[in-house]
Amino acid sequence: DAGVTQSPTHLIKTRGQQVTLRCSPISGHKSVSWYQQVLGQGPQFIFQYYEKEERGRGNFPDRFSARQFPNYSSELNVNALLLGDSALYLCASSLEGPYGYTFGSGTRLTVV
Amino acid sequence: GQQLNQSPQSMFIQEGEDVSMNCTSSSIFNTWLWYKQDPGEGPVLLIALYKAGELTSNGRLTAQFGITRKDSFLNISASIPSDVGIYFCAGQLSSNTGKLIFGQGTTLQVKP
Repeated sequence: DAGVTQSPTHLIKTRGQQVTLRCSPISGHKSVSWYQQVLGQGPQFIFQYYEKEERGRGNFPDRFSARQFPNYSSELNVNALLLGDSALYLCASSLEGPYGYTFGSGTRLTVV
Repeated sequence: GQQLNQSPQSMFIQEGEDVSMNCTSSSIFNTWLWYKQDPGEGPVLLIALYKAGELTSNGRLTAQFGITRKDSFLNISASIPSDVGIYFCAGQLSSNTGKLIFGQGTTLQVKP
């Protein structure tokens, strides 16, 4: 079975640009969450979506937005990129309920 | 951002030794999770704990959900070279929001 897939794997953007990251959850998983992991730190929660609705939002500026599609895949958008947005962006999916989350391999975003 | 207090920050041990790491929080969690992350990959779920006092094993790994619901530990017995990586604890307040709070990670190195 395919795990959580994320695209692209690596991305280089210039300050001020916009970026869209994509995530396909494990088949049957309706919940998708996004995390930002800066080098040397644990992942930080950005968003969770379930059944196309936002269920939770972390402490990130409005430049960060996301959406979930009817097939449960998701996109994370970041506008007006800053150097500090350089990080590994992780997507995780899960079944509804108190289950552990399965993470993808992430998208490495570098802002120059 | 909010993080758990995870210790030790790093460990350098001999193959065959046992390892112990722990996480503490000022907040109560309903779920504790332990993940391992290899370079360039997303975190992989090792053990999930759902009830205070619960002790769960997965092969050479054992983890416990603290009685106060504010802490958890992970033990690895008879370490082997492939145990090398970064171990993260994560706490979850509610399964409805999908928000995991991660520790800073424990970097484990094993000397053959």
